[in-house]
Amino acid sequence: QQQVKQSPQSLIVQKGGISIINCAYENTAFDYFPWYQQFPGKGPALLIAIRPDVSEKKEGRFTISFNKSAKQFSLHIMDSQPGDSATYFCAASKSGRRALTFGSGTRLQVQP
Amino acid sequence: ETGVTQTPRHLVMGMTNKKSLKCEQHLGHNAMYWYKQSAKKPLELMFVYSLEERVENNSVPSRFSPECPNSSHLFLHLHTLQPEDSALYLCASSSWTGESDTQYFGPGTRLTVL
Repeated sequence: QQQVKQSPQSLIVQKGGISIINCAYENTAFDYFPWYQQFPGKGPALLIAIRPDVSEKKEGRFTISFNKSAKQFSLHIMDSQPGDSATYFCAASKSGRRALTFGSGTRLQVQP
Repeated sequence: ETGVTQTPRHLVMGMTNKKSLKCEQHLGHNAMYWYKQSAKKPLELMFVYSLEERVENNSVPSRFSPECPNSSHLFLHLHTLQPEDSALYLCASSSWTGESDTQYFGPGTRLTVL
């Protein structure tokens, strides 16, 4: 049973455009939602994270939008750049547990 | 060396071989993790160690045997693996405080089982 569903599987965006990746979760006990970025040959690295007490968090060109009632959260990359081309993973966990449950990943390609 | 390092970066082994993967973290963290990353599947948590004690084991087959001799080192001992075990094995560490925390990943070991 996949507890965090991520879409799309792949995404192609033109330079300067907005990239949007969506995730939906099932476990209402989840209370921490990070996004990880992974470049080829590297391990995933934390990009941005949110807790359900806020509906949006912005760090530079990256924004997480969170909808608790719909059990959905999304990553928006504004002014997408070729250097943003990577695989993005959403994840979720609940307080008191170290385990992260990951989505299946989205391969983003930003064309120059 | 900084961050989380893993060796070897690539490993090819037969089904009857015994090998070990090594992870070392240079961040002063107190928790370490093994994940499996297969093509077209989400990252799967395998084991969690906190202060050198295994605290989670996600129904991983016994052909995978973890070892955490101290808070900086983590091993994954492999024996009689199957071809479907071919994957990228990622190590991570974190500074566990009881709340959800940031996990820092190593570059992974690409394992191929023939």
